[in-house]
Amino acid sequence: AQSVTQPDIHITVSEGASLELRCNYSYGATPYLFWYVQSPGQGLQLLLKYFSGDTLVQGIKGFEAEFKRSQSSFNLRKPSVHWSDAAEYFCAAPGDSSYKLIFGSGTRLLVRP
Amino acid sequence: EPEVTQTPSHQVTQMGQEVILRCVPISNHLYFYWYRQILGQKVEFLVSFYNNEISEKSEIFDDQFSVERPDGSNFTLKIRSTKLEDSAMYFCASSDSGSGTQYFGPGTRLLVL
Repeated sequence: AQSVTQPDIHITVSEGASLELRCNYSYGATPYLFWYVQSPGQGLQLLLKYFSGDTLVQGIKGFEAEFKRSQSSFNLRKPSVHWSDAAEYFCAAPGDSSYKLIFGSGTRLLVRP
Repeated sequence: EPEVTQTPSHQVTQMGQEVILRCVPISNHLYFYWYRQILGQKVEFLVSFYNNEISEKSEIFDDQFSVERPDGSNFTLKIRSTKLEDSAMYFCASSDSGSGTQYFGPGTRLLVL
């Protein structure tokens, strides 16, 4: 069965530092992959998505992610983190059917001033 | 920018009571979803809905749950007899196709006492 793994429960970075959040997936075919962000008390906002083509995708708020088939990874990156980026980040991929998304367990990002 | 809306934002109910959570999907979307997130846990798929019928449901979505699209704009989730373990954040989402990007609402936080 398809699965999405986010190995890091918490990550703390200093403001202005670079960021990489890890996501690994288990999927038979080339997956669609998504990153969502959830600020405290808020809903899930789409940051970016990969469907096909260029393996480096750009998203909102200066985020990007790279699909690496050989590593079954879709890591999220940002070159310089802002305090407002503190939130929980979820990687997601379609399940056995395309009708549902399977989410990773999330990575909570804390930003030090 | 079109967005998914949900009402109420918070609901407190007594165990055994019925609740109806409401969602207004993005207007030209045809696929609708409910997910839930128990506090501290990952986001879990409940059900997907297309063409006025359920297209897929998870094992969580038992006989206590039902969904309906009562008119051209609303999409509802009903829990007939709430249990303590139904306490969670419930997210509605919609997409323009079965494999399309799912856009999420802000969620309804349900607390069952």
